[in-house]
Amino acid sequence: DAMVIQNPRYQVTQFGKPVTLSCSQTLNHNVMYWYQQKSSQAPKLLFHYYDKDFNNEADTPDNFQSRRPNTSFCFLDIRSPGLGDAAMYLCATSRDRGDNSPLHFGNGTRLTVT
Amino acid sequence: AQRVTQPEKLLSVFKGAPVELKCNYSYSGSPELFWYVQYSRQRLQLLLRHISRESIKGFTADLNKGETSFHLKKPFAQEEDSAMYYCALSGFGNTGKLIFGQGTTLQVKP
Repeated sequence: DAMVIQNPRYQVTQFGKPVTLSCSQTLNHNVMYWYQQKSSQAPKLLFHYYDKDFNNEADTPDNFQSRRPNTSFCFLDIRSPGLGDAAMYLCATSRDRGDNSPLHFGNGTRLTVT
Repeated sequence: AQRVTQPEKLLSVFKGAPVELKCNYSYSGSPELFWYVQYSRQRLQLLLRHISRESIKGFTADLNKGETSFHLKKPFAQEEDSAMYYCALSGFGNTGKLIFGQGTTLQVKP
């Protein structure tokens, strides 16, 4: 089945220790997104890639970076995680950026910061 | 400011009862509205979108621009409808941006 895969499902890191979350897709979609979802809150868009073009949301902290080395993979790097960065991180893809392209989500990675 | 509000964190109904999950939005442009659903231990997935005007799994939603609402309805709830439901707003051109509400947990009791 074509899908969006996030690894790992659970990630524990220490305060200030860089961490990378990964996402891969077999849908061959042009767009890949990273959302952050804190407990009992709405998923919040951090940034997205349209092909190789990186698009950052204005309120995404500089601590969050992303890489997309090829169509299939996208990484979320947190350079110096703080306790406030503990959350579920959702990767999603869409064929295009228009409103006729629904998002396909991965299962998410739950990040714990100790 | 663009915003999606789902006023109920939890909605609990009995099997066979009608269901209405409320969603209100704030957006001065031309909105595109969606409902996403997350069943237990599954990924978030699209349920329906207003432009399609379709019924999925018995659910429908009508965009009411006058009331800025996009409520999700089903006449007879089933136990397998128990899930978390998110209303989402787009319509920002080719920005790829989707703004989610906080979600409503629907619990359908036997």
